[in-house]
Amino acid sequence: KAGVTQTPRYLIKTRGQQVTLSCSPISGHRSVSWYQQTPGQGLQFLFEYFSETQRNKGNFPGRFSGRQFSNSRSEMNVSTLELGDSALYLCASSLVDTRPGELFFGEGSRLTVL
Amino acid sequence: AQKITQTQPGMFVQEKEAVTLDCTYDTSDPSYGLFWYKQPSSGEMIFLIYQGSYDQQNATEGRYSLNFQKARKSANLVISASQLGDSAMYFCAMRTNMEYGNKLVFGAGTILRVKS
Repeated sequence: KAGVTQTPRYLIKTRGQQVTLSCSPISGHRSVSWYQQTPGQGLQFLFEYFSETQRNKGNFPGRFSGRQFSNSRSEMNVSTLELGDSALYLCASSLVDTRPGELFFGEGSRLTVL
Repeated sequence: AQKITQTQPGMFVQEKEAVTLDCTYDTSDPSYGLFWYKQPSSGEMIFLIYQGSYDQQNATEGRYSLNFQKARKSANLVISASQLGDSAMYFCAMRTNMEYGNKLVFGAGTILRVKS
């Protein structure tokens, strides 16, 4: 059974650009959530999507957005990139009826903003 | 507000010995879940163990056990018979029912190094 797949694994952007990251959840999983990991702030929740609807959102500016498609694949977008957006972005998927919070993570997309 | 505190930035343990990683939490919600994840250098977060706030017994998953002390609001991870492959970052996390869905609050993490 394939795990959570995130693409791209690594990318470099410059300030002001925008970026789109993709996440393919485990087959059958309908919940996809995103986390940002930085050395200074640690792991922070960005948002969660379930059945194409955002049902939770963290404390991030509106430059961070996401969506989920009918096949449960999800994308997140960061516009007008800032140096502080450099981070590992982790996607996690979950079956709705597993133990709450048991999330299966991908290996992440490492974004560097220059 | 929900908060997870991991006070050990780094730990060393000798191979084959047991090690305890500390985690304390703060929440006013009577219903919550506590998790431990392992993050090797590859970056992937690997689920290790889960403890629900109403569970009567401490959770156990193979070499991992969770020492849950509700009154002290602590949820320490115990790894028995440490192996070299256990070297990684370990995160304690919490989910409360105050918000519906899969939102976890993570601690700062503890780096574990297993010595041969």
